[in-house]
Amino acid sequence: DTAVSQTPKYLVTQMGNDKSIKCEQNLGHDTMYWYKQDSKKFLKIMFSYNNKELIINETVPNRFSPKSPDKAHLNLHINSLELGDSAVYFCASSPRGGEASYNEQFFGPGTRLTVL
Amino acid sequence: QKEVEQNSGPLSVPEGAIASLNCTYSDRGSQSFFWYRQYSGKSPELIMSIYSNGDKEDGRFTAQLNKASQYVSLLIRDSQPSDSATYLCAVKRSGGFKTIFGAGTRLFVKA
Repeated sequence: DTAVSQTPKYLVTQMGNDKSIKCEQNLGHDTMYWYKQDSKKFLKIMFSYNNKELIINETVPNRFSPKSPDKAHLNLHINSLELGDSAVYFCASSPRGGEASYNEQFFGPGTRLTVL
Repeated sequence: QKEVEQNSGPLSVPEGAIASLNCTYSDRGSQSFFWYRQYSGKSPELIMSIYSNGDKEDGRFTAQLNKASQYVSLLIRDSQPSDSATYLCAVKRSGGFKTIFGAGTRLFVKA
């Protein structure tokens, strides 16, 4: 069984469109994350939820809006897509992200977003 | 100064050699340290975590932590071509939920 899954795996869209990426984990973890990995392979945190509560909200354009309907799911909606949004977006989860020894993160397969 | 610094490489070692990957961090209060491996086109995969000073061994991998020097390293013994990947050092600050990733070191193991 897949531990952390994301859909879609690839997303190609035009500038100005709105798109969503979905993430689900079946590990029973409390904490979930969205990361952006750009062309230089730098992995940068965007958002984190702990038990459905938003706890990390980095300096990200407000066109990006996360939503966690329950602690097993974390979605990312992006409005008015721009060329610079092209990247790979990874979802991750950890058992209890705020505690030492419980914040090892498990990553989903990634969603490669290409904005034309 | 970057919060987590790694040499971008590439680091090239012959098959069977020891690969040594290094990482420094700026937050002296950091409490959790991780090494992830990322193959090209794939997601990061946790290979080692270390929380206290000293060495931690797992198979061919050894993580070393020196909090006084704010330094963490990963040794890969008997390197194999399948170890060729980018290795990401990650550090969790004291308190909070944020883990900071380094830019990664590319490792090539030559057969």
